[in-house]
Amino acid sequence: NAGVMQNPRHLVRRRGQEARLRCSPMKGHSHVYWYRQLPEEGLKFMVYLQKENIIDESGMPKERFSAEFPKEGPSILRIQQVVRGDSAAYFCASSPLGTGGRNTGELFFGEGSRLTVL
Amino acid sequence: GNSVTQMEGPVTLSEEAFLTINCTYTATGYPSLFWYVQYPGEGLQLLLKATKADDKGSNKGFEATYRKETTSFHLEKGSVQVSDSAVYFCALRNSGNTPLVFGKGTRLSVIA
Repeated sequence: NAGVMQNPRHLVRRRGQEARLRCSPMKGHSHVYWYRQLPEEGLKFMVYLQKENIIDESGMPKERFSAEFPKEGPSILRIQQVVRGDSAAYFCASSPLGTGGRNTGELFFGEGSRLTVL
Repeated sequence: GNSVTQMEGPVTLSEEAFLTINCTYTATGYPSLFWYVQYPGEGLQLLLKATKADDKGSNKGFEATYRKETTSFHLEKGSVQVSDSAVYFCALRNSGNTPLVFGKGTRLSVIA
């Protein structure tokens, strides 16, 4: 059972370009969370999605950032017109559906996508 | 709102020393509590968890007890190893599929 897969692992962009980060959740998981980790800081929640729905985007910057989790394919975090302050590690996590026995409460994390903006 | 406060690092210990990393929380309801570990260049891995008051989570020699009366979930290990060098994050999660709320992390360095 493959874990949470994120790609690319490393991404370099120049200011003003677009960055797209992809996340495939663990098999059987239908909830996806995106977090951002700035250098030497903790993880900040950005957005929580289920298939075709954004459930909570309270941590997303109001401009330039968007996320989706389509019916087919991975979840995508998109950052338009990147700036140097967007340089960070972006982590995706997944959890199974519902609050029943399969959901032990933990989130399963990918290895992250490290964005560098020049 | 929900929040987690953990001791600031870095923490530097000699091999076989005793480790305590303090964590306290503020939450509505009855959250589940977690410790995650992040090794250099990697993602987060669950270290241990506790889902209700007085539960003790344990794994790889690490332990933490859910103390509702002091709203704490301190991480302890009796004898650390160089391989334990990492960043440790305390986190909480309320019921359902709400997001995890993390503390800022504590960097641990263990020297031989």
